[in-house]
Amino acid sequence: QVTLRESGPALVKPTQTVTLTCTFSGFSLSTNAMCVSWIRQPPGKALEWLALIDWEDDKYYSTSQKTRLTISKDTSKNQVVLTMTNMDPVDTATYSCARSVRDSGGAYYFDYWGQGTLVTVSS
Amino acid sequence: SYELTQPPSVSVSPGQTARITCSGDALPKQYGYWYQQKSGQAPLLLIYKDTERPSGIPERFSGSNSGTKVTLTISGVQAEDEADYYCQSADSSGTYPAVFGGGTKLTVL
Repeated sequence: QVTLRESGPALVKPTQTVTLTCTFSGFSLSTNAMCVSWIRQPPGKALEWLALIDWEDDKYYSTSQKTRLTISKDTSKNQVVLTMTNMDPVDTATYSCARSVRDSGGAYYFDYWGQGTLVTVSS
Repeated sequence: SYELTQPPSVSVSPGQTARITCSGDALPKQYGYWYQQKSGQAPLLLIYKDTERPSGIPERFSGSNSGTKVTLTISGVQAEDEADYYCQSADSSGTYPAVFGGGTKLTVL
């Protein structure tokens, strides 16, 4: 059974850096073709893909956010960590991690999701 | 940037067929994916690779691809299908490996 759970601070101040952790089970990021992504959703708005890390430790970032994001993994702990710098109130959103699969065209899709963690950016 | 365009809302009566479209220039070359998100819940993968249903997804959900447009069809809509639906794909160059549409709110009248 695949599960993912996000953790991190519920409230951060503008300009701070936030660190979010995705702890998963039911698969291993050392297994061929396994990937994990971070996706966010501001309240009442659409989903936005942010970053992905794969089993070979290759990393991919949203072009609009790449200068602010760092994704990493700890295979022994079954964890993926996302850091996002210079947080702003517009970054208030639910941040979710999802197991990701690469298709033959090079696109990634998301077959298992965590429930997400709401991060509010406010002074 | 690469964009996928969905209608903001679709309304149908119970038992009718709902169709939600998603347009994108790279869809002739890239698969489309569909997710259902009910209020307060995580998204659920409904359709992958244009037409495939994951295990456990009811047969009334189906997908199709016709060039620059993918379509999610819900046959015999039920009240429980009221949710937001998101399409997802990628551009053809690899610059944008995962992009979501703006979402469609399905209202069951």
